Amino acid sequence: EAQVTQNPRYLITVTGKKLTVTCSQNMNHEYMSWYRQDPGLGLRQIYYSMNVEVTDKGDVPEGYKVSRKEKRNFPLILESPSPNQTSLYFCASSLYQGLSEQYFGPGTRLTVT
Amino acid sequence: KNQVEQSPQSLIILEGKNCTLQCNYTVSPFSNLRWYKQDTGRGPVSLTIMTFSENTKSNGRYTATLDADTKQSSLHITASQLSDSASYICVVTPGGSYIPTFGRGTSLIVHP
Repeated sequence: EAQVTQNPRYLITVTGKKLTVTCSQNMNHEYMSWYRQDPGLGLRQIYYSMNVEVTDKGDVPEGYKVSRKEKRNFPLILESPSPNQTSLYFCASSLYQGLSEQYFGPGTRLTVT
Repeated sequence: KNQVEQSPQSLIILEGKNCTLQCNYTVSPFSNLRWYKQDTGRGPVSLTIMTFSENTKSNGRYTATLDADTKQSSLHITASQLSDSASYICVVTPGGSYIPTFGRGTSLIVHP
């Protein structure tokens, strides 16, 4: 089944404790991206990747890192999480950036205390 | 600053009725405009994708229209079903940019 998976789905952590949210797609898509969704706000892009080893900042990259060592994986790294990073995170992928359909993962709900 | 405004913020309709959701944007020029459906607690699902040169795009009971002159788009849902209850999100990507601007969504509730 074609899909985007994220792990973990739920995470509660403390300020400053490094964490990684994994994202994997099985559709051989070139383009992948991370978003955060907060109540009352639209989704905002954190980082995106056009292909392996090619990543760039989105709208709200501060406090986040990403890597794209393999085509299928695009992990999101929070080196020192803070409470303002409490949010619902979505990973997405598409065949390429532009007019191709984008597929979203199920989301990761992160709480930083 | 690029903006995407959606209206109404929320809408309640009876099953079987039609409805239209609005999206106004300031992004210009733009590469494409998308509509997504997002069920509570789940990832958005793509409904339609349009370029600036397209006026309408359909996906089953969902029809999106675009007026690039007035910078408005609408999503029309025909013969609504209970499963249409969700948030509908309008997204505009500027020309020459890879960073999309998302609207805050319209929350639709379909009552039996």
